[in-house]
Amino acid sequence: DAGVTQSPTHLIKTRGQHVTLRCSPISGHKSVSWYQQVLGQGPQFIFQYYEKEERGRGNFPDRFSARQFPNYSSELNVNALLLGDSALYLCASSLGLGEQFFGPGTRLTVL
Amino acid sequence: EDQVTQSPEALRLQEGESSSLNCSYTVSGLRGLFWYRQDPGKGPEFLFTLYSAGEEKEKERLKATLTKKESFLHITAPKPEDSATYLCAVQGKGAQKLVFGQGTRLTINP
Repeated sequence: DAGVTQSPTHLIKTRGQHVTLRCSPISGHKSVSWYQQVLGQGPQFIFQYYEKEERGRGNFPDRFSARQFPNYSSELNVNALLLGDSALYLCASSLGLGEQFFGPGTRLTVL
Repeated sequence: EDQVTQSPEALRLQEGESSSLNCSYTVSGLRGLFWYRQDPGKGPEFLFTLYSAGEEKEKERLKATLTKKESFLHITAPKPEDSATYLCAVQGKGAQKLVFGQGTRLTINP
Protein backbone atom coordinates (compact mmCIF):
# COMPACT_ATOMS: atom_id res chain seq x y z
CA ASP A 1 0.00 0.00 0.00
CA ALA A 2 1.21 3.50 -0.81
CA GLY A 3 2.01 5.72 2.12
CA VAL A 4 1.29 9.43 2.41
CA THR A 5 2.43 11.31 -0.69
CA GLN A 6 3.27 15.00 -0.94
CA SER A 7 4.07 17.31 -3.82
CA PRO A 8 6.19 19.03 -4.75
CA THR A 9 9.33 17.69 -3.06
CA HIS A 10 11.13 21.00 -3.12
CA LEU A 11 9.99 24.54 -3.84
CA ILE A 12 11.76 27.89 -4.05
CA LYS A 13 9.72 31.08 -3.83
CA THR A 14 10.39 34.77 -3.23
CA ARG A 15 8.96 36.93 -0.49
CA GLY A 16 5.36 38.01 -1.09
CA GLN A 17 4.51 35.09 -3.35
CA HIS A 18 1.86 32.45 -2.79
CA VAL A 19 2.41 28.69 -2.51
CA THR A 20 0.18 25.60 -2.63
CA LEU A 21 1.33 22.28 -1.19
CA ARG A 22 -0.52 19.03 -1.83
CA CYS A 23 -1.00 15.82 0.13
CA SER A 24 -2.64 12.46 -0.53
CA PRO A 25 -3.38 10.37 2.56
CA ILE A 26 -3.07 6.63 3.03
CA SER A 27 -6.00 4.83 1.43
CA GLY A 28 -8.86 4.60 3.91
CA HIS A 29 -7.61 7.44 6.10
CA LYS A 30 -10.07 10.30 6.41
CA SER A 31 -7.99 12.70 8.51
CA VAL A 32 -5.12 14.88 7.29
CA SER A 33 -2.94 17.10 9.46
CA TRP A 34 -0.33 19.67 8.44
CA TYR A 35 2.84 20.50 10.38
CA GLN A 36 5.69 22.94 9.91
CA GLN A 37 9.19 21.83 10.89
CA VAL A 38 11.99 24.36 11.12
CA LEU A 39 15.53 22.98 11.06
CA GLY A 40 16.58 21.60 14.44
CA GLN A 41 13.09 21.68 15.95
CA GLY A 42 10.15 19.31 16.25
CA PRO A 43 7.12 19.66 13.95
CA GLN A 44 4.57 22.38 14.86
CA PHE A 45 0.86 21.75 14.26
CA ILE A 46 -0.84 23.94 11.65
CA PHE A 47 -4.20 22.33 10.77
CA GLN A 48 -6.20 19.15 10.96
CA TYR A 49 -9.06 18.17 8.66
CA TYR A 50 -11.43 15.27 9.11
CA GLU A 51 -14.18 14.43 6.64
CA LYS A 52 -13.51 17.72 4.85
CA GLU A 53 -14.06 19.84 7.95
CA GLU A 54 -11.42 21.77 9.90
CA ARG A 55 -11.09 20.13 13.31
CA GLY A 56 -8.06 21.95 14.69
CA ARG A 57 -5.86 24.96 14.03
CA GLY A 58 -2.47 25.84 15.49
CA ASN A 59 -0.96 29.25 16.24
CA PHE A 60 -0.30 30.33 12.68
CA PRO A 61 -1.38 33.57 10.98
CA ASP A 62 -4.33 33.83 8.61
CA ARG A 63 -1.88 33.73 5.69
CA PHE A 64 -2.03 29.96 6.20
CA SER A 65 -5.14 28.14 5.00
CA ALA A 66 -6.02 24.61 4.00
CA ARG A 67 -8.81 22.48 2.64
CA GLN A 68 -9.67 18.83 2.19
CA PHE A 69 -11.31 17.40 -0.90
CA PRO A 70 -13.98 14.67 -1.25
CA ASN A 71 -11.24 12.10 -1.96
CA TYR A 72 -9.59 13.14 1.36
CA SER A 73 -6.55 14.70 -0.29
CA SER A 74 -5.60 18.12 1.03
CA GLU A 75 -3.97 21.39 0.09
CA LEU A 76 -2.07 23.83 2.28
CA ASN A 77 -1.93 27.40 1.00
CA VAL A 78 0.39 30.11 2.26
CA ASN A 79 -0.03 33.71 1.07
CA ALA A 80 2.39 36.64 1.23
CA LEU A 81 5.39 34.45 1.95
CA LEU A 82 7.97 35.60 4.49
CA LEU A 83 11.57 34.46 4.90
CA GLY A 84 10.50 32.80 8.16
CA ASP A 85 8.13 30.50 6.28
CA SER A 86 11.12 28.54 5.00
CA ALA A 87 10.72 25.07 6.48
CA LEU A 88 9.85 21.43 5.86
CA TYR A 89 6.06 21.12 5.56
CA LEU A 90 4.78 17.75 6.64
CA CYS A 91 1.44 16.11 5.97
CA ALA A 92 0.21 13.28 8.18
CA SER A 93 -2.78 11.02 7.74
CA SER A 94 -4.73 9.03 10.30
CA LEU A 95 -7.96 7.10 10.65
CA GLY A 96 -9.10 9.66 13.23
CA LEU A 97 -7.52 10.30 16.61
CA GLY A 98 -4.35 8.34 17.32
CA GLU A 99 -1.31 7.41 15.29
CA GLN A 100 -0.45 9.83 12.52
CA PHE A 101 1.63 8.65 9.56
CA PHE A 102 3.78 11.24 7.88
CA GLY A 103 4.69 11.86 4.27
CA PRO A 104 8.19 12.78 3.05
CA GLY A 105 7.51 16.49 3.31
CA THR A 106 7.85 19.50 1.03
CA ARG A 107 10.98 21.60 1.54
CA LEU A 108 10.00 25.28 1.02
CA THR A 109 12.71 27.89 0.63
CA VAL A 110 11.70 31.57 0.59
CA LEU A 111 14.28 33.98 -0.80
CA GLU B 1 -0.70 24.11 27.49
CA ASP B 2 0.71 20.70 26.55
CA GLN B 3 4.52 20.56 26.57
CA VAL B 4 7.20 18.01 25.67
CA THR B 5 10.90 18.24 26.53
CA GLN B 6 13.43 15.73 25.24
CA SER B 7 16.91 15.09 26.58
CA PRO B 8 19.68 14.97 25.70
CA GLU B 9 19.57 17.16 22.58
CA ALA B 10 22.32 15.05 21.02
CA LEU B 11 23.89 11.72 21.96
CA ARG B 12 26.88 10.01 20.44
CA LEU B 13 27.44 6.29 21.19
CA GLN B 14 29.76 3.56 20.05
CA GLU B 15 28.21 0.62 18.23
CA GLY B 16 26.90 -1.82 20.85
CA GLU B 17 26.78 0.80 23.64
CA SER B 18 23.25 0.79 25.09
CA SER B 19 21.59 3.99 26.35
CA SER B 20 18.24 5.72 26.93
CA LEU B 21 16.54 8.83 25.59
CA ASN B 22 14.17 10.81 27.82
CA CYS B 23 10.86 12.50 27.02
CA SER B 24 9.23 14.56 29.79
CA TYR B 25 5.71 15.77 29.21
CA THR B 26 2.84 17.75 30.68
CA VAL B 27 -0.60 17.26 29.19
CA SER B 28 -4.16 17.80 30.36
CA GLY B 29 -5.26 14.19 30.07
CA LEU B 30 -3.04 11.91 28.00
CA ARG B 31 -4.63 10.12 25.09
CA GLY B 32 -1.36 8.79 23.71
CA LEU B 33 2.41 9.29 23.63
CA PHE B 34 4.13 8.63 20.33
CA TRP B 35 7.73 7.95 19.31
CA TYR B 36 8.97 8.67 15.80
CA ARG B 37 12.30 8.28 14.03
CA GLN B 38 13.33 10.95 11.52
CA ASP B 39 16.21 10.72 9.04
CA PRO B 40 17.67 13.98 7.66
CA GLY B 41 15.38 15.70 5.16
CA LYS B 42 12.65 13.06 5.49
CA GLY B 43 9.31 12.77 7.24
CA PRO B 44 9.02 11.18 10.69
CA GLU B 45 8.58 7.39 10.72
CA PHE B 46 6.14 6.03 13.29
CA LEU B 47 7.65 3.71 15.91
CA PHE B 48 5.38 3.29 18.97
CA THR B 49 2.22 4.44 20.73
CA LEU B 50 1.94 4.23 24.52
CA TYR B 51 -1.40 4.88 26.21
CA SER B 52 -1.00 4.41 29.96
CA ALA B 53 1.64 4.41 32.69
CA GLY B 54 3.44 1.10 32.96
CA GLU B 55 2.99 0.22 29.32
CA GLU B 56 6.01 -1.00 27.31
CA LYS B 57 6.49 -1.58 23.58
CA GLU B 58 9.45 -3.21 21.79
CA LYS B 59 10.71 -3.27 18.23
CA GLU B 60 14.06 -4.80 17.36
CA ARG B 61 16.70 -2.92 19.43
CA LEU B 62 14.22 -0.30 20.70
CA LYS B 63 12.00 -0.41 23.77
CA ALA B 64 9.69 2.40 24.88
CA THR B 65 8.32 2.79 28.40
CA LEU B 66 5.85 5.23 29.96
CA THR B 67 5.26 6.76 33.39
CA LYS B 68 2.83 9.51 34.37
CA LYS B 69 5.44 12.20 33.71
CA GLU B 70 7.93 10.79 31.22
CA SER B 71 8.77 8.21 28.63
CA PHE B 72 12.05 6.50 27.86
CA LEU B 73 13.31 5.08 24.60
CA HIS B 74 15.89 2.41 25.42
CA ILE B 75 18.32 1.42 22.70
CA THR B 76 20.08 -1.90 23.20
CA ALA B 77 23.32 -2.73 21.37
CA PRO B 78 22.72 -0.04 18.72
CA LYS B 79 24.07 -0.22 15.17
CA PRO B 80 25.16 2.67 12.91
CA GLU B 81 21.85 2.40 11.02
CA ASP B 82 20.05 3.44 14.22
CA SER B 83 21.54 6.92 13.78
CA ALA B 84 18.65 9.39 13.38
CA THR B 85 16.67 12.02 15.27
CA TYR B 86 14.12 10.50 17.63
CA LEU B 87 10.98 12.55 18.24
CA CYS B 88 8.48 12.22 21.06
CA ALA B 89 4.94 13.62 20.83
CA VAL B 90 1.83 13.69 23.01
CA GLN B 91 -1.85 13.91 22.17
CA GLY B 92 -4.29 15.14 24.79
CA LYS B 93 -7.72 13.61 25.22
CA GLY B 94 -10.09 15.08 22.66
CA ALA B 95 -7.26 16.98 20.96
CA GLN B 96 -6.47 16.59 17.31
CA LYS B 97 -2.91 17.77 17.27
CA LEU B 98 0.35 16.11 18.25
CA VAL B 99 2.67 18.25 20.38
CA PHE B 100 6.29 17.36 19.66
CA GLY B 101 9.53 17.76 21.56
CA GLN B 102 12.59 19.13 19.82
CA GLY B 103 14.04 15.66 19.32
CA THR B 104 17.23 13.82 20.29
CA ARG B 105 19.85 13.51 17.56
CA LEU B 106 21.44 10.08 17.98
CA THR B 107 24.73 9.13 16.32
CA ILE B 108 26.11 5.59 16.49
CA ASN B 109 29.78 5.30 15.57
CA PRO B 110 31.07 1.98 14.13
